[in-house]
This record gives sequence, C-alpha cells and structure tokens, in this order.
Amino acid sequence: EDKVVQSPLSLVVHEGDTVTLNCSYEVTNFRSLLWYKQEKKAPTFLFMLTSSGIEKKSGRLSSILDKKELFSILNITATQTGDSAVYLCAVGPIIQGAQKLVFGQGTRLTINP
Amino acid sequence: DAGITQSPRHKVTETGTPVTLRCHQTENHRYMYWYRQDPGHGLRLIHYSYGVKDTDKGEVSDGYSVSRSKTEDFLLTLESATSSQTSVYFCAISGRAGNEQFFGPGTRLTVL
Repeated sequence: EDKVVQSPLSLVVHEGDTVTLNCSYEVTNFRSLLWYKQEKKAPTFLFMLTSSGIEKKSGRLSSILDKKELFSILNITATQTGDSAVYLCAVGPIIQGAQKLVFGQGTRLTINP
Repeated sequence: DAGITQSPRHKVTETGTPVTLRCHQTENHRYMYWYRQDPGHGLRLIHYSYGVKDTDKGEVSDGYSVSRSKTEDFLLTLESATSSQTSVYFCAISGRAGNEQFFGPGTRLTVL
C-alpha cells in the first residue's frame, strides 16, 4: 500500500527563521513527488520532483528529493507570516496516464511575527 | 490560476438524498480527479478520469459514482448521501500524463 508520512505534523517558528519540512514515502512505480501549500482554501502547487539530488527553487522555497532513501525536504528561508499554511506532500503511481496521488497528513506551519 | 470551477460551493442535504457535484474546466485537460478532505485523513482520491467516458476508482470510492460525458465536465454523484460523506470535496485537473495537478476551489458538503 502506498504511504506518505510527513514530519513534523505541526511547527511554530518566528518570522525570519528557516524551516525544514520532511516527507518520506513508499510507493509502487514511483514517478514524481509533489509539494502543495494549503491555506484556508484549495491546495496550490509548489514543486514536482522526479530526479534525485536536483534542487528545485522558487524564491525562498526550495525542495530536493532522495530516491534512494525515499524522502524529500522542503526548505523555507527567511519565513514570513504569509508562509503560515499546511504543506502537503504527495506521491502516486501512474495508471492510464493519470497519477493516483496519495497525500501525507500535512505539516501545519505557523509563523509568528 | 487553472480554469477550474466547482458547483455548488456549499451544500447541506439530508441523509438518503442523492447529491451531484460538478467540476468544470476550461483548460481542455485530459485528466480529472475527485478528492475528499477530512480532518485526520488528509486528501484522499475518490475517482479519476483519464478521458471522456474513461473513469476508474480511487482509494475511497465506495458510495460514489462519477461520469464524464465531455472533456470539460466531471460529475461526482452520491446516490444516497450518508453523514460519513460530510466533507470538503476538491476536483483537480492535469494536462499530461504524470504532470502536476491543479485544484478547484472545493465544495463543502454537509449531510444531516
């Protein structure tokens, strides 16, 4: 059974801190790992990772994948209150071209001013 | 933002009644998905579609059916709603095989 575990489940930091969110997974027929940010609405796409060791970066956010150890990390530097959200990690096999994503429980990140 | 709309956005219904949720996209994407999100369970896949009239089950498909008669619309039906189907329902779309999925705004369904 495909499985995604995120840690920590909850994290509270001060504005300006750097945070690292973790995602470990077990999946048959790995294709890619996806990160999403969810505020009080729909998840919004952040990154899709398919290759080990290649960092993806967008502003203060970056992510990397380790396919040997089956995990990914999401880093956020110089955090701002607007980074407060639930961060979701997902993986899944491709069936008929569709990716049947399995999501982790999410990490609830709170940035205090 | 991807052109995805969901209707209705909120619905309250009674146990035993049929309910249909609609997902409409303007992106001409091939792949469409229905998820539900519940506290303690996260997002879980209900059904998905890989083309017009081509659908398959996800992780939590019991009690749900879907239909896709044209590219832009993907319908989720609860034949006889139960209180355990109270949830937030998200539709998602994806353009190419294995590409990232983009989510609609969600429908909050309450079954009394």
